[in-house]
Amino acid sequence: AQSVTQLDSQVPVFEEAPVELRCNYSSSVSVYLFWYVQYPNQGLQLLLKYLSGSTLVKGINGFEAEFNKSQTSFHLRKPSVHISDTAEYFCAVSLSYNTDKLIFGTGTRLQVFP
Amino acid sequence: GAGVSQSPSNKVTEKGKDVELRCDPISGHTALYWYRQSLGQGLEFLIYFQGNSAPDKSGLPSDRFSAERTGGSVSTLTIQRTQQEDSAVYLCASNKDRGRGTYGYTFGSGTRLTVV
Repeated sequence: AQSVTQLDSQVPVFEEAPVELRCNYSSSVSVYLFWYVQYPNQGLQLLLKYLSGSTLVKGINGFEAEFNKSQTSFHLRKPSVHISDTAEYFCAVSLSYNTDKLIFGTGTRLQVFP
Repeated sequence: GAGVSQSPSNKVTEKGKDVELRCDPISGHTALYWYRQSLGQGLEFLIYFQGNSAPDKSGLPSDRFSAERTGGSVSTLTIQRTQQEDSAVYLCASNKDRGRGTYGYTFGSGTRLTVV
């Protein structure tokens, strides 16, 4: 079975500071990796994804993530955050042969302070 | 429609009552998904539809939960004899077709269910 762990339930950070949201996964078979963002009172939105190829992937709003197979991690980073980045961030995986089911982590609440 | 619409946005019900949650996907999207977001538990997959059929309903937690989709469009998630542990946000998502998860899903804003 697959699982996703987001160890940090909340990450407070000041505006313009860098941030890293951690995600580790477990799977015995090939998976695809995703980060979704949920702004207050809105649906989840795809931030970025790793399918294959370059392990550094770039997404919307200046976010990027690095796939590390040996450490089974897919950490999300942004060099300088804005107030508007305050949201809940979810890491997720799907089997590479079945993308109709996402397994999500428990989410990380990013709170950006002025 | 322009996005995935869910109704009601909030629902408070008494323990033991039945509830129906509705999802109206993006027009033309054949694949529809239900997830549950419980406090501290992240999002759990419940069921997905391709057209009116449900190829995977492995995430439904008990036989009190059922879902249907008619006309390849609107879906209803029904919870019978609600329990307090059913309190959660129920999210619906849709996609153009099954197997397109790598393109991302369009999620609705969810229905917040509170069982008192």
